[in-house]
Amino acid sequence: AQSVTQLDSQVPVFEEAPVELRCNYSSSVSVYLFWYVQYPNQGLQLLLKYLSGSTLVKGINGFEAEFNKSQTSFHLRKPSVHISDTAEYFCAVSVVGSGNTGKLIFGQGTTLQVKP
Amino acid sequence: KAGVTQTPRYLIKTRGQQVTLSCSPISGHRSVSWYQQTPGQGLQFLFEYFSETQRNKGNFPGRFSGRQFSNSRSEMNVSTLELGDSALYLCASSFSGGSGTDTQYFGPGTRLTVL
Repeated sequence: AQSVTQLDSQVPVFEEAPVELRCNYSSSVSVYLFWYVQYPNQGLQLLLKYLSGSTLVKGINGFEAEFNKSQTSFHLRKPSVHISDTAEYFCAVSVVGSGNTGKLIFGQGTTLQVKP
Repeated sequence: KAGVTQTPRYLIKTRGQQVTLSCSPISGHRSVSWYQQTPGQGLQFLFEYFSETQRNKGNFPGRFSGRQFSNSRSEMNVSTLELGDSALYLCASSFSGGSGTDTQYFGPGTRLTVL
């Protein structure tokens, strides 16, 4: 079975400061990794995904994440946050191959609160 | 391209009733997945449909069911509603959903409140 742990439920940060949202996963098989963002009263929007290749993945809105296989982590970073980045962020995995079609396994989410 | 649409956006039902939620995927997408989002349990996978067939199912009771039509639109049904079914129900569409690499595009969700 797979599981995803987001280590911080809330992360307060001042505007223009850097931020890191932490994500660890557990799986006995290979997985793909995703970060989604959810703004209030909206669905989820994909920020970035890691499928293979370079372990540093760049996404939308200036976010990036680094896949670390040995530490089974996929932390999300942004060098300078804006007020508009205030939202809930979800780390997710899907199993490589067709055994678990259409299924994403999500962490519990991290609320990013950007203060002026 | 239009995004994933879900109707209705808000629903209020009472215990024991049943409810049907609808999801229209992005044009050309054939896979539709459904998720339940609650403060306590987070985001949990309900089921996934592709070409009118359920290919995958999460750990939910049989009161939760779904179907997919030939135009890829999907519906999910919850019978005999319980208070704990109050949640945001999200659907997501992808091109094929099969390999795990396809990006899932989410709709805005249907907020179900059970009284």
